[in-house]
Amino acid sequence: EDQVTQSPEALRLQEGESSSLNCSYTVSGLRGLFWYRQDPGKGPEFLFTLYSAGEEKEKERLKATLTKKESFLHITAPKPEDSATYLCAVPEMNSGYSTLTFGKGTMLLVSP
Amino acid sequence: SQTIHQWPATLVQPVGSPLSLECTVEGTSNPNLYWYRQAAGRGLQLLFYSVGIGQISSEVPQNLSASRPQDRQFILSSKKLLLSDSGFYLCASGSGETQYFGPGTRLLVL
Repeated sequence: EDQVTQSPEALRLQEGESSSLNCSYTVSGLRGLFWYRQDPGKGPEFLFTLYSAGEEKEKERLKATLTKKESFLHITAPKPEDSATYLCAVPEMNSGYSTLTFGKGTMLLVSP
Repeated sequence: SQTIHQWPATLVQPVGSPLSLECTVEGTSNPNLYWYRQAAGRGLQLLFYSVGIGQISSEVPQNLSASRPQDRQFILSSKKLLLSDSGFYLCASGSGETQYFGPGTRLLVL
């Protein structure tokens, strides 16, 4: 069974203090790795999909990278509005159909 | 782009009462639809998914059921709620493997 593990569970940064979030996975034949952002009391918002090792994608202060065993979400010079829970997920086949298995997330708090 | 609507936004129900949560999708046709529950510290748990009208797959045996009466309508139901049914319920829509989520329904069973 596919497993997705995110670390750390929580991260507190000062505004402007860059850092990285980790998502490690065990999967047979990766068909993509997904990153989402979730604000408190809201549904997850899709950020990125990465499909192959070495691939990178960027959006504002966020950059996602992928290796054969893990993905990193790098946050450069974060701002308080980047505070949220970041979720990663991998596809899993169920009875011929694809579903997503999510990690438990990293809760990021950026202080001004 | 697609938009997912969920209602109600919040719900407080007594134990043993019935439940009906509704999800509708705009901006796409024949989507795959999903119901998730999110509990504190436990992440997103997939409850049901549907690849078409009347086609429902259940991920975990439980007190809940799902139905898809129309292409872009997905309903989560229960005949008798349990305390353990409390949580944040999310509907998602996707084609291919990317899923887009609705705003969620916060359910509190007392």
